Amino acid sequence: QVKLQESGPGLVKPSETLSLTCTVSGGSISNYYWSWIRQPPGKGLEWIGYIYNSGSINYNPSFKSRVTISVDTSKNQFSLKLSSVTAADTAVYYCARDPSSGVRGFDYWGQGTLVTVSS
Amino acid sequence: DFQMTQSPSSLSASVGDRVTITCRANQSISRYLNWYQQKPGKAPKLLIYTASTLQSGVPSRFSGSGSGTDFTLTISSLQPEDFATYYCQQTYSTFTFGGGTMVEIK
Repeated sequence: QVKLQESGPGLVKPSETLSLTCTVSGGSISNYYWSWIRQPPGKGLEWIGYIYNSGSINYNPSFKSRVTISVDTSKNQFSLKLSSVTAADTAVYYCARDPSSGVRGFDYWGQGTLVTVSS
Repeated sequence: DFQMTQSPSSLSASVGDRVTITCRANQSISRYLNWYQQKPGKAPKLLIYTASTLQSGVPSRFSGSGSGTDFTLTISSLQPEDFATYYCQQTYSTFTFGGGTMVEIK
């Protein structure tokens, strides 16, 4: 059974960089697309970006200048960095697996981790 | 920019009711439309992909239809465990979610 687990600081100061890692267990990270999605408290879902086998990356244009997604296949992990954060970046951050660049949807999700941006 | 509009934003229904949720794209997305269910405090769960294909393990009372710009999610007979928020997602160009439809108990 594939499982995803987000990890990282739950509190980040304004203007700093948010860093999260998603650890994938029960399956290989290779040959799948891996996405980050966030959800501000009480609001809807927002896709941040995906990575595929290190070579293909696609970001939501809304984040393009601030976001970096990378993968470490040796650790079966992928990561999110979001720079220059503000209170508007406070959200539950999810990682998810995507078998086929969105066509078949996000079939496995992590439980989500709340990141609060505050001084 | 692909924008997705769901309607209604919320609805009240009773167990056994037939429920329909609509998702509209501001331009054609062919059939690149997925549906998710989210319960409070939980991650979303994939229900339907490519507009009408039921994800493995999802009950057959859920169905999806549509193409181009107009899509629907139908629950044929609402069950107690179906009270949740439902999101559509387009994957035609980058990925965008609709604003969500909360299905509440009447």
